[in-house]
Amino acid sequence: ELKVEQNPLFLSMQEEKNYTIYCNYSTTSDRLYWYRQDPGKSLESLFVLLSNGAVKQEGRLMASLDTKARLSTLHITAAVHDLSATYFCAVVPYNNNDMRFGAGTRLTVKP
Amino acid sequence: KAGVTQTPRYLIKTRGQQVTLSCSPISGHRSVSWYQQTPGQGLQFLFEYFSETQRNKGNFPGRFSGRQFSNSRSEMNVSTLELGDSALYLCASSWTGSNTEAFFGQGTRLTVV
Repeated sequence: ELKVEQNPLFLSMQEEKNYTIYCNYSTTSDRLYWYRQDPGKSLESLFVLLSNGAVKQEGRLMASLDTKARLSTLHITAAVHDLSATYFCAVVPYNNNDMRFGAGTRLTVKP
Repeated sequence: KAGVTQTPRYLIKTRGQQVTLSCSPISGHRSVSWYQQTPGQGLQFLFEYFSETQRNKGNFPGRFSGRQFSNSRSEMNVSTLELGDSALYLCASSWTGSNTEAFFGQGTRLTVV
């Protein structure tokens, strides 16, 4: 069964610092998604990674995918308070549209 | 263009009752997936519909069912509600469900008392 593990689960950052969230998964997949969720809100799509070596960047966030290592990273550069939210990775195994989510990383950016 | 619309936004039901939730996908999207989000279990996949057919199903009891209409709108039904069914129910729509971005609705917050 596909398992998706995120770490850390909680992350308290200082503004202007850099950090990385890791997403490991247990089965073959070439489709990985990153979402952001603000408290009480729905999920906002951040990145769709569809091939080994894919790298996408949007503002202070950059996501990458290594399908051989079954690992995706979400790198935060020079964090700002607006980035405070919970970040989820989600993996879709081959021949399936069952999107499996990690437990989420609750990010808090402090001044 | 309009996003994914879920109705109602909030519901309070009593144990043993049944409930129907609705999801209208983005125009042109044919895949609709449903998820349950709880603090304890996180986000869990319920099922996915594509062109009125259930294509995938998660590990939920048969009390949870769904359907999709010809206009791609989807409904989810939960019968014989239990306290543990209290959750945020999210639906997501995508063009085909494969290799395409999924967009989520605002969710329906169900409370079972």
